[in-house]
Amino acid sequence: GESVGLHLPTLSVQEGDNSIINCAYSNSASDYFIWYKQESGKGPQFIIDIRSNMDKRQGQRVTVLLNKTVKHLSLQIAATQPGDSAVYFCAELIGGTSYGKLTFGQGTILTVHP
Amino acid sequence: ETGVTQSPTHLIKTRGQQVTLRCSSQSGHNTVSWYQQALGQGPQFIFQYYREEENGRGNFPPRFSGLQFPNYSSELNVNALELDDSALYLCASSAKGTGGGIDTQYFGPGTRLTVL
Repeated sequence: GESVGLHLPTLSVQEGDNSIINCAYSNSASDYFIWYKQESGKGPQFIIDIRSNMDKRQGQRVTVLLNKTVKHLSLQIAATQPGDSAVYFCAELIGGTSYGKLTFGQGTILTVHP
Repeated sequence: ETGVTQSPTHLIKTRGQQVTLRCSSQSGHNTVSWYQQALGQGPQFIFQYYREEENGRGNFPPRFSGLQFPNYSSELNVNALELDDSALYLCASSAKGTGGGIDTQYFGPGTRLTVL
């Protein structure tokens, strides 16, 4: 069936280090992927997205890489800060542009130590 | 802040009761999606509303229903509450256009529902 999952449930890094959060997906027909950050007591916050016709997309301190051959997605955070501590979810858009059913992975807990 | 608001923030109900959760979408957005997030898990898609009609549904029973109003705000109704319905309920708004582009979903803070 369709699923989006994460390799690592937790990630602990030192402030200033680079962080890499990984995600595997199973639906090869998906055409859009999004990374969300969720802090305690809040809703998911959009970080960055990528279409399936791209391999890489960069934002401010974040980069998303997409490898369609192995159905793998990663989020790289440069110079990680304590404020980056949160749960990170990758999500897959199923249904194309007809309707937007996001399928989320389990999430990775990122802890940044000062 | 996304501009998506939800009410109430927290809610406690007993098994068998009914509940209505509300969502106001971000200005300019015409589509609302609802998700259920159990503790320690990712959000699960319940359904989406566009132009006041259900535009897609996840694997949830009919006792989960919704409405969208002309101002694009939305309600999620759950009848005959069960203990497993305890979760964070999230709504996300987006702007579905006619050009076939991807409509990014922006989430509200959620409503924490506890069923006793």
